[in-house]
Formats: sequence, structure tokens, C-alpha cells
Amino acid sequence: DSGVTQTPKHLITATGQRVTLRCSPRSGDLSVYWYQQSLDQGLQFLIQYYNGEERAKGNILERFSAQQFPDLHSELNLSSLELGDSALYFCASSDETGGTGKLFFGSGTQLSVL
Amino acid sequence: ELKVEQNPLFLSMQEGKNYTIYCNYSTTSDRLYWYRQDPGKSLESLFVLLSNGAVKQEGRLMASLDTKARLSTLHITAAVHDLSATYFCAVGVHTRLTFGEGTQLTVNP
Repeated sequence: DSGVTQTPKHLITATGQRVTLRCSPRSGDLSVYWYQQSLDQGLQFLIQYYNGEERAKGNILERFSAQQFPDLHSELNLSSLELGDSALYFCASSDETGGTGKLFFGSGTQLSVL
Repeated sequence: ELKVEQNPLFLSMQEGKNYTIYCNYSTTSDRLYWYRQDPGKSLESLFVLLSNGAVKQEGRLMASLDTKARLSTLHITAAVHDLSATYFCAVGVHTRLTFGEGTQLTVNP
């Protein structure tokens, strides 16, 4: 168990809908990362938050947004969903203060857009 | 843009054999990570390599890093079925990790 909690584990929805994925990082970790994993794109970095502030942005679509709350949990919002958004979405956290930069991954949310 | 390339992408090997997975990357970094993923599961950290020449070993797996060549290797010794999984390398630049495509390893009896 990595200590990173993601909910829900599975999500089935329809095109055009909006969903929210939730992540609680390991205790003490200030950084939260979101990754998307699909068969054709592999593991793609979406966005990183550090202590409530956006720190880095990757290949995140404009229809997607994220935030990190004062209690350090994070939410990834996906809107106007398309079939191609079906993927496994991982949250990860890390302790950057004197740490190795290693990411600890949650178990993921499997999103199916029908 | 940082590129991380693994090869091979697919590897089928017999139990008891040795093999090496290669990870090449395109920009300077002294942080290299190896992860394992079982089908439908999360990514599990295997090794963290933080300096040139670093070598780490755990059981039948050994990872090394050559920052000058921008190359890391994951060597499998006397493979067993339990090692069947997808192995990813990831390169750290600033606070962000960029992952390779993954190597899907199947170990056959």
C-alpha cells in the first residue's frame, strides 16, 4: 500500500458528461501529480500541484482542470468527456523535502466513457 | 522536450534465462527510477538511481545508471514467472518524472 488514496476506483459515464476524481496524498507529502495512462499514449503527465499551488503542467487538455485543497487532497475535473478520454488516471505524491523525488502512486481510477 | 525510450517494448523469455532492458533518455538528469506494473494495477517503485554509476540490486533484478551515456539498464537474472509484468523507467527533471513506454515482460515456464 503506497499510502496514496484515489476514489472512485471505477467510473463509467457518457460522452459530454463531467466527472471528478479525488486523491489523498501520503501523509506529509506536499506534491500531488496526475497522470493519464492509455494504450496508445502510455503514461502521460497531466499536472502537478505543490502545497496548493500549480507547479507544472503537462499534456492536460483545456477540458480538464485540477486543484489542491488546503488539506492537500486533490481533485481532477474532466468535462465534456469524449470516448478518447477513457483511460486509467493515476494520482501520485512525493516528498520533495530532502527526499529522492520518488513518486508513490495510488491505485488509479479507471474511467470508461461510453 | 525530454524523450525516454525503452527497448525492447515486448520481451518473452524462458524461466532461468537472463536479459537486460534498456532505457535511453534525451536530456541531462541524475535521477532515474524503475517501476513495475502488474495488469490493471498501480505502479510499484523498484529502484531509485541518483548518481552516475549507481547500481542497485533487489533479488533477481539489478539496475544501473550511466548519466554520461544517458542510459539505464534493468538486468534480470534467472527469470521466474513472478517477474512477468510491465517495467517502466522514468527520468526526473526538476520535480517532474517522464516515463518511458514500458517493457512488457512475459516469463514462460
